[in-house]
Order: sequence, then structure tokens, then C-alpha cells
Amino acid sequence: GAVVSQHPSWVICKSGTSVKIECRSLDFQATTMFWYRQFPKQSLMLMATSNEGSKATYEQGVEKDKFLINHASLTLSTLTVTSAHPEDSSFYICSARDRGQAISNYGYTFGSGTRLTVV
Amino acid sequence: SQKIEQNSEALNIQEGKTATLTCNYTNYSPAYLQWYRQDPGRGPVFLLLIRENEKEKRKERLKVTFDTTLKQSLFHITASQPADSATYLCALGGYSGGYQKVTFGIGTKLQVIP
Repeated sequence: GAVVSQHPSWVICKSGTSVKIECRSLDFQATTMFWYRQFPKQSLMLMATSNEGSKATYEQGVEKDKFLINHASLTLSTLTVTSAHPEDSSFYICSARDRGQAISNYGYTFGSGTRLTVV
Repeated sequence: SQKIEQNSEALNIQEGKTATLTCNYTNYSPAYLQWYRQDPGRGPVFLLLIRENEKEKRKERLKVTFDTTLKQSLFHITASQPADSATYLCALGGYSGGYQKVTFGIGTKLQVIP
């Protein structure tokens, strides 16, 4: 089945620094990837839709200058949290869908997530 | 505004019993509804998808029903096992602004007691 690899699995950074999170589709090409954020005991909130070769589409309330998304190839999307602050500490997860497989049988494939802690 | 409601309180059941989880939604006409399993500190894992024109779907010990009139989906796990303990997420899928979008509920934490 489709596999999405996400790195790093956890990161601790100092306030004011930037952190890059990578999301790779290992065995399929993903023209579209999705980035979510999940706070404790809350639902996954879609932050943005990453489109290969074009600009990402951000959800309302998500600062595009703070959360930079780059989808430079069909298998890689990156999320960079710029000038991170403690309130950015959260669980970030990416997902993609292998369009070669029926959504009915496989749904969306998620990465294992990145736990970001800003101190 | 669109709203997805899942019982965010934990559901405790005895091993071997059937677990039933509920997903209600408002102000939404999804093309399909999905159920995912999420373990602590991990990304969700796809379980089942049911389309708006389907009433019921089964996969091994799992069964999903979808009532678009009631705007509700029920997710059943029969013969539950301790390994089924996890948080189960309901997700609605459809098109918004010209592109596909999936919106998640908060999830229900299931604890199967041996």
C-alpha cells in the first residue's frame, strides 16, 4: 500500500528559530499533499494543501508567511515553521493520496507526524 | 458553520462486546465519510470509506452505516479486542472551493478492557 514518510518525528527548537518538516511519498507520486496540525485532545486541523509546482492553498487563519510550504517534486513536500514560538508547539501531520488506488479502499495515507516543541 | 461531532469522552467496553461509535455532522453535505484509527503520537490510519449513496459497509470486524437524512454515521467493531483500543476519527470528504477537502472530527477514544 501507499506509504508516506515524515521527518523528523520530533524536534525541539528555540524560540525564534525555523524548523523544516519533510513529507515524502515513497511508492507513489503525490501531486497534492495536505498539512495538518493537531493540538492535544483536539481534531486534526487542515492548515494547507500543497500542490506540486504551484503555490500552496492555505486555510483561513493560517499565516502563509509563517508556515512556508514547498512542493518541489511529485514525492516531496516540506513545511517550514519560521520564527517559531511556544504557541506553535504542536503535532504536525502530512497526508497524501495515491491516485492510482481507489479512495474507497485506501483513503488518505498519513505520515507518522512530527512533534514540535518550541522552548 | 460546518460541524462534526463525535463523543470526545472515552468509551470503555468489555473484550468481546461490540463497540459503537457515533459521528454526527451539521451544515455539510459530504460526498463520502471516512473512519480512521489513530494511536497516541502517530498519524491516522485509514479504515473504511462510505459514500453518500451507500447505507452500510463492512470490512472484517468493522461495519459503518451512513444516514444522510439524520446526518449521522455509526461505526461498529464487533468482537472487540484490547488491540482495538485507540482513538477513532470520523472524517467528511467533499469539494470546497474547487478542490477536495477532508474535515476531521475530534475522535472518540475507545478502551477495550480484557
